[in-house]
Amino acid sequence: EIVLTQSPGTLSLSPGERATLSCRASQSVSRNFLAWYQQKSGQAPRLLIYDASSRATGIPDRFSGSASGTDFTLTINRLEPEDFAVYYCQQYGSSPWTFGQGTNVEIK
Amino acid sequence: QVQLVESGGGLVKPGGSLRLSCAASGFTFSDYYMSWIRQAPGKGLEWVSYISTSTTIYYADSVKGRFTISRDNAKNSLYLQMNSLRPEDTAVYFCARDGWDAYYFDYWGQGTLVTVSS
Repeated sequence: EIVLTQSPGTLSLSPGERATLSCRASQSVSRNFLAWYQQKSGQAPRLLIYDASSRATGIPDRFSGSASGTDFTLTINRLEPEDFAVYYCQQYGSSPWTFGQGTNVEIK
Repeated sequence: QVQLVESGGGLVKPGGSLRLSCAASGFTFSDYYMSWIRQAPGKGLEWVSYISTSTTIYYADSVKGRFTISRDNAKNSLYLQMNSLRPEDTAVYFCARDGWDAYYFDYWGQGTLVTVSS
C-alpha cells in the first residue's frame, strides 16, 4: 500500500499570499496518478487536480499541481477567502487507492 | 448536472447491518466506475470500495469480507451492504463517481452518516 504524507499539517497564511502544499509518496506512483481535493467544513471534497497537474473542470488557474519523483506539490497563487480549507492528496496508481492525512490552510 | 444522493445511514449496534444507497443523475451511470469513500468524525478520507462498469470490484482490507458493493444500472443506483459493523466503521460515507476510465473522484455526494454504537 502506498502511504502519502502531507506537509505541513497546518499552513497559516493571509489572503493574497501563495500556498505550497506537499504530498510525498512512500513509493513510486504509477504514471503520476495523483489527485488533489479541497474540503470545507461540513461539505464533500471537491476535485481540484488529477494526473498530478491537470486542473479539473471549473477550477481556477490559481490552482496548479506538479510532480517530481515521489514528491507532489499543490500551489495556490494569491489565496482567496474561499480557498481556506483542508486539502487532501490521493493516489490512484495502484490499489488500494490511498489519501494523505490532509493539510489545513487557515487564515493567519 | 451531475448529482449523487446517498441514503440509508443511521445508528446501528455493533455486529449489525446497514445498506447504503446512492442515487445518481445527470450522467450516463452505466458508463462510469463508482466508489464509496468514508470519513470518520474529525478524521481524513478513506477509500472503501470500487465497482467497475462490468464486474471488477475492489475493497479496502478494513472492510473486506464484511461489505459488499453493487450497482443497478437500470435504477442508476449504487449500493453498499455493510455487515458485521464495528464501532470503527462510524463515519460519513460518500458515494463518488470515478473520473472517465480513471480512479480519481470527480463528483461526490453529500454523504450519509453511519454510527455504530451500543
